[in-house]
Amino acid sequence: AQKVTQAQTEISVVEKEDVTLDCVYETRDTTYYLFWYKQPPSGELVFLIRRNSFDEQNEISGRYSWNFQKSTSSFNFTITASQVVDSAVYFCALINFNKFYFGSGTKLNVKP
Amino acid sequence: ETGVTQSPTHLIKTRGQQVTLRCSSQSGHNTVSWYQQALGQGPQFIFQYYREEENGRGNFPPRFSGLQFPNYSSELNVNALELDDSALYLCASSSELLRADTGELFFGEGSRLTVL
Repeated sequence: AQKVTQAQTEISVVEKEDVTLDCVYETRDTTYYLFWYKQPPSGELVFLIRRNSFDEQNEISGRYSWNFQKSTSSFNFTITASQVVDSAVYFCALINFNKFYFGSGTKLNVKP
Repeated sequence: ETGVTQSPTHLIKTRGQQVTLRCSSQSGHNTVSWYQQALGQGPQFIFQYYREEENGRGNFPPRFSGLQFPNYSSELNVNALELDDSALYLCASSSELLRADTGELFFGEGSRLTVL
């Protein structure tokens, strides 16, 4: 069975702090894809990153970085020097053979 | 702006009624998927259409059905509405070259359905 767990329901930080959003997944398949999406209050899900199961290389994009570790089935997302505009709900998702599994989301509040 | 538009944005129905939600995918995209997002939850995959054929379905009963048209726009139909069907319904599209299981999904802003 496929499952994505985001244990952190809500996180509050002060602007400029670093914050890490955790994602743990379960799958028996060897080929799968992991995503992070951001959902602002408008409701539209915004794509942040895609990673396939064969590529464990970590990635950095500006203030965002992702740590993928197959050994622990985790795909964590770090925002460095957070900003108020980062406030949103963030979803981790597992995609395998045309089926999509989202975590329950982590609401990030960045206070000025 | 993702180029994916959904209508209506909000609607209210009563239990037992039927509803049709519409989605126009981004230009050049021929794959559309639908999701149900209950309040405070992550999106749940309903089904996906590729070139007018359903090619993936989540754990939703048959009263959730869909269509994809030759212009790749799509409809989600829900019959015999239940109170638990109240949710935000999201549509996402992707291009043929970047299939949904390998590429990027572009989401609309959703249709918020309230069932009374």
